[in-house]
Amino acid sequence: IAGITQAPTSQILAAGRRMTLRCTQDMRHNAMYWYRQDLGLGLRLIHYSNTAGTTGKGEVPDGYSVSRANTDDFPLTLASAVPSQTSVYFCASSVGQPNSYNEQFFGPGTRLTVL
Amino acid sequence: SQKIEQNSEALNIQEGKTATLTCNYTNYSPAYLQWYRQDPGRGPVFLLLIRENEKEKRKERLKVTFDTTLKQSLFHITASQPADSATYLCALLYSSASKIIFGSGTRLSIRP
Repeated sequence: IAGITQAPTSQILAAGRRMTLRCTQDMRHNAMYWYRQDLGLGLRLIHYSNTAGTTGKGEVPDGYSVSRANTDDFPLTLASAVPSQTSVYFCASSVGQPNSYNEQFFGPGTRLTVL
Repeated sequence: SQKIEQNSEALNIQEGKTATLTCNYTNYSPAYLQWYRQDPGRGPVFLLLIRENEKEKRKERLKVTFDTTLKQSLFHITASQPADSATYLCALLYSSASKIIFGSGTRLSIRP
């Protein structure tokens, strides 16, 4: 059982380049999330999806886009990367929406450096 | 906007003692509060959930309290072990927002 996988594990990217971070879960969870984690700021929600076919904006959505074509995959795209997007990115999932007392399961993270 | 505060300074505890971590929040009370553990280079792992109408929740050596008057949750690890060393995050759900907000975490070190 893999749980949640993320790819790549790490990436160094030139500013202005487009980048897609991949996230796949095999738990058939309805809800999925993308967070970024920066030192001293904790985890901040970028985008979320309560079910396949729907997405929503989190706390820091600017510069990022997501899609949820099916239950398992939730890719995060940086259309034109900027140095301030240097961070560790975590994908997470839960059985249902957060207001159903669901715990979140996290992937191993992607360390992204934008130069 | 809602704000969550965890002690940003690392907490160093002698093995065998009880470690107590604090999570304070502002404004109105959340529907529930969760605690996660995060090891270096890994994603957070869920530990415990406590609801707004619960005062205390226990799981093995872990205990969480929820005081809506003080706007505070305490996370206790009894009989602490070096393997408990990690960063611990609290997360709050505000039902009106239907999203979870995470604190920045407290790093706990248990010395032998």
